[in-house]
Amino acid sequence: DQQVKQNSPSLSVQEGRISILNCDYTNSMFDYFLWYKKYPAEGPTFLISISSIKDKNEDGRFTVFLNKSAKHLSLHIVPSQPGDSAVYFCAAIPTGANSKLTFGKGITLSVRP
Amino acid sequence: NAGVTQTPKFRILKIGQSMTLQCTQDMNHNYMYWYRQDPGMGLKLIYYSVGAGITDKGEVPNGYNVSRSTTEDFPLRLELAAPSQTSVYFCASSYYGDTHQPQHFGDGTRLSIL
Repeated sequence: DQQVKQNSPSLSVQEGRISILNCDYTNSMFDYFLWYKKYPAEGPTFLISISSIKDKNEDGRFTVFLNKSAKHLSLHIVPSQPGDSAVYFCAAIPTGANSKLTFGKGITLSVRP
Repeated sequence: NAGVTQTPKFRILKIGQSMTLQCTQDMNHNYMYWYRQDPGMGLKLIYYSVGAGITDKGEVPNGYNVSRSTTEDFPLRLELAAPSQTSVYFCASSYYGDTHQPQHFGDGTRLSIL
């Protein structure tokens, strides 16, 4: 039972264009969402997060949008750069002590020069 | 800054062998985690610890054991290796587990059971 779904396994975009990575969740108790980026042979690194009390959070070229009613979030990368080519994991966590992260399967982003 | 360090990076085991995956962090984080990532899948939590001397099961604990004798170290033990435990194992740490502090990951241990 996947509570965090990243239904598109891969995405390819041209350098300079926008990358939109989507994530859906089913658990209404999730109230904080994170995106991690992972290069081959490295561990995931934290990229950006958003609380359920917001609908948008921006950090440089990266913006995360949250639609609570649709249980959907998306990560926008503008402009995309070849160095952004990586696997992107969406993760969610509910409120409460010792809550655990639930990860999606990841999306492989390829940015073509 | 070293962050989270995992050793070894690669290992091949025979069925039935045992081994310990090492994880150490130098950020004085009280929360530590072990995940496994199977091909094409997300990370699944094996065990976690909220502080020295305290550990608890995650989503997929069967076949594994952990201990947390110090704040810095959180080793993962495989007692009787099985092919189903072939995976990439990630250790992570965070300062607080429930205040949305992002977890910091090591670079993983790629384990093959043959």
